[in-house]
Amino acid sequence: KQEVTQIPAALSVPEGENLVLNCSFTDSAIYNLQWFRQDPGKGLTSLLLIQSSQREQTSGRLNASLDKSSGRSTLYIAASQPGDSATYLCAVRPTAGTYKYIFGTGTRLKVLA
Amino acid sequence: SQTIHQWPATLVQPVGSPLSLECTVEGTSNPNLYWYRQAAGRGLQLLFYSVGIGQISSEVPQNLSASRPQDRQFILSSKKLLLSDSGFYLCAWSWAKENTEAFFGQGTRLTVV
Repeated sequence: KQEVTQIPAALSVPEGENLVLNCSFTDSAIYNLQWFRQDPGKGLTSLLLIQSSQREQTSGRLNASLDKSSGRSTLYIAASQPGDSATYLCAVRPTAGTYKYIFGTGTRLKVLA
Repeated sequence: SQTIHQWPATLVQPVGSPLSLECTVEGTSNPNLYWYRQAAGRGLQLLFYSVGIGQISSEVPQNLSASRPQDRQFILSSKKLLLSDSGFYLCAWSWAKENTEAFFGQGTRLTVV
């Protein structure tokens, strides 16, 4: 059974720092991995999608990497800003079974001004 | 472009009352549709998904049901709400291909009192 874990659960950093959020999954049989951002009381906003054949994806100050064989992904945020404060979730889409996404419990990030 | 609409944004309902949450997608056809629930301090739990009109798969046996009366409409229902049904409900869609990303609505905060 696929399980997704995100560590740490919460993170507080001063503005300007570069930071790394971690996501691990137990079964490497996935189609892709997706990173989301969730602001309090809001829905999920898709940040980056990495296909299983890819190693990384970049969007602006965000860079996501994928090491499928070791079951890990990282989201790198460069030069963090207070506006980056949110909960970050990763999700994998397993190849086995149905078309569903399995989520981690998220990392709550707070960037201090 | 594609958009997803979910309503209402917030809902307070008494125990034992019925529930109907609606989700519609615009700008695409034959999407996969999903209902997730997010309880406080927990990850997203997949409740139902649908790959076509009238085709509903349930992931978790519970007090809720889902229906897909039209291609781009997904409804979450309950005949009698329980206190444990409180939570944040999110609708999502993806293209029918297995390697695509998911897009989420803004969510409904349901409080059962």
